[in-house]
Amino acid sequence: QVQLQESGPGLVKPSETLSLTCTVSGGAMTSYYWSWIRQSPGKGLEWIGHIFYSGSTNYNPSLKSRVTISVDTSKNQFSLELRSVTAADTAVHYCARHYTIYPAFDSWGQGALVTVSS
Amino acid sequence: QSALTQPRSVSGSPGQSVTISCTGSNSDIGDSNSVSWYQQHPGKAPRLLISDVNKRPSGVPDRFSGSKSGNTASLTISGLQAEDEADFFCSSYAGRYIIIFGGGTKLTVL
Repeated sequence: QVQLQESGPGLVKPSETLSLTCTVSGGAMTSYYWSWIRQSPGKGLEWIGHIFYSGSTNYNPSLKSRVTISVDTSKNQFSLELRSVTAADTAVHYCARHYTIYPAFDSWGQGALVTVSS
Repeated sequence: QSALTQPRSVSGSPGQSVTISCTGSNSDIGDSNSVSWYQQHPGKAPRLLISDVNKRPSGVPDRFSGSKSGNTASLTISGLQAEDEADFFCSSYAGRYIIIFGGGTKLTVL
C-alpha cells in the first residue's frame, strides 16, 4: 500500500519561500497525478496544484504566480515551493495521489503544518 | 472558480440517515461527473469516500452513497454510527485542469 510523507520546515518568515517535499513509498509514481492541498486552521481544503509523473503541471489560478511543483521520480519524491508567503499561507499542507486529472485523491500524507511568522 | 457550497453542520441520531449537499455551478458540478467526497476526523488526513459522483473505493461501507442532480451533489450516510462523526468535504473538477473543494460540513451524531 502506497504511503506519502510530507517533510520540510514548520516555520517560514513572511516574504520568504515555503518548501515542502513529499516522499512516496510502497508504490511507483508512474501513471499517477500528485497534488498538494492545504487546509488553513479551522477552514476547508484548498487545492494548490498537481504534477503528473512525467512533469506536466497545473496550478490553482489564485496561487499560480507564486507556486512551483516539481517531481523527482528517481527519488520517489515531489516538491512544493510557494514564494512570497504571508500569514494567510499558514496551513496544514497535504500531499495526495490521484489516478486521473480529476479529483479522486485516494492516498494522502499525514499533513505538515507550516506557520508563517517572523 | 468559487468554492463549492456545503452546509456548515448537519446532525442525526444513531441509525438514522443524513444527507449532505454540495452546490456548485454549470462550470463545475453541473458540467462534470468528477465529484468526490472525503471524511476527515480531527487531526487526521481526509479519506476518500466517493469518487466519480457515486463510486465507492474498496473498504468504504455501502452506508455511504453519492448522487448528483444538476449543479448539486449529495452524500447520504445511512445507518448513522458514532464513528461517522467527522467533517465531510466535497470536491469537483472545474474545467481547465482545476480542482475545487467545498467548505466542509461538520456531522454530529447525537
